[in-house]
Amino acid sequence: KAGVTQTPRYLIKTRGQQVTLSCSPISGHRSVSWYQQTPGQGLQFLFEYFSETQRNKGNFPGRFSGRQFSNSRSEMNVSTLELGDSALYLCASSPQGAGSYEQYFGPGTRLTVT
Amino acid sequence: AQTVTQSQPEMSVQEAETVTLSCTYDTSENNYYLFWYKQPPSRQMILVIRQEAYKQQNATENRFSVNFQKAAKSFSLKISDSQLGDTAMYFCAFGGTSYGKLTFGQGTILTVHP
Repeated sequence: KAGVTQTPRYLIKTRGQQVTLSCSPISGHRSVSWYQQTPGQGLQFLFEYFSETQRNKGNFPGRFSGRQFSNSRSEMNVSTLELGDSALYLCASSPQGAGSYEQYFGPGTRLTVT
Repeated sequence: AQTVTQSQPEMSVQEAETVTLSCTYDTSENNYYLFWYKQPPSRQMILVIRQEAYKQQNATENRFSVNFQKAAKSFSLKISDSQLGDTAMYFCAFGGTSYGKLTFGQGTILTVHP
């Protein structure tokens, strides 16, 4: 099976702009989770989607949003970008998304905000 | 809320030797899962090993094994016969009842020297 794919791999944006990142899960996986990885804060959970529904959300401002499509592909959007949003954004897929299931990660999207 | 602590920011080992990475966690949940992930310089997060909390037997995957001490809330990773390709950041992660959410430690950078 093909692994988790994320597009684009690299992105440079300016403060105040918005950005959309895309994630295609492993075939058959219905749960997609998103994480932000920074040197200072480490890996932090953003949100999880299952069957087009957001089931869980981390402690991030409302500028961070996401959605999932019927084919399980997911997008996350960040509006009004701030310098602190510069990070590696990782997407992970899982069959069910419960804590018992391991997550498989994509290569990430490196976002730089200038 | 769960917390995961990795107290060793950096470790180094000679090729073919054995190294142990430490991880402690805190949770009030009784049923949960613990994972070790590896993130090489290429940045693709890879699952190394998984442990179910209800199992007393420690998980092993080839050269990788864990020492799971539930009462002490400790979950260490032992890498035997270290190889140059083991050089990476290693993350300990907790998966509980929260949908799609893994809680990660801060990571340990492991360098394997020839």
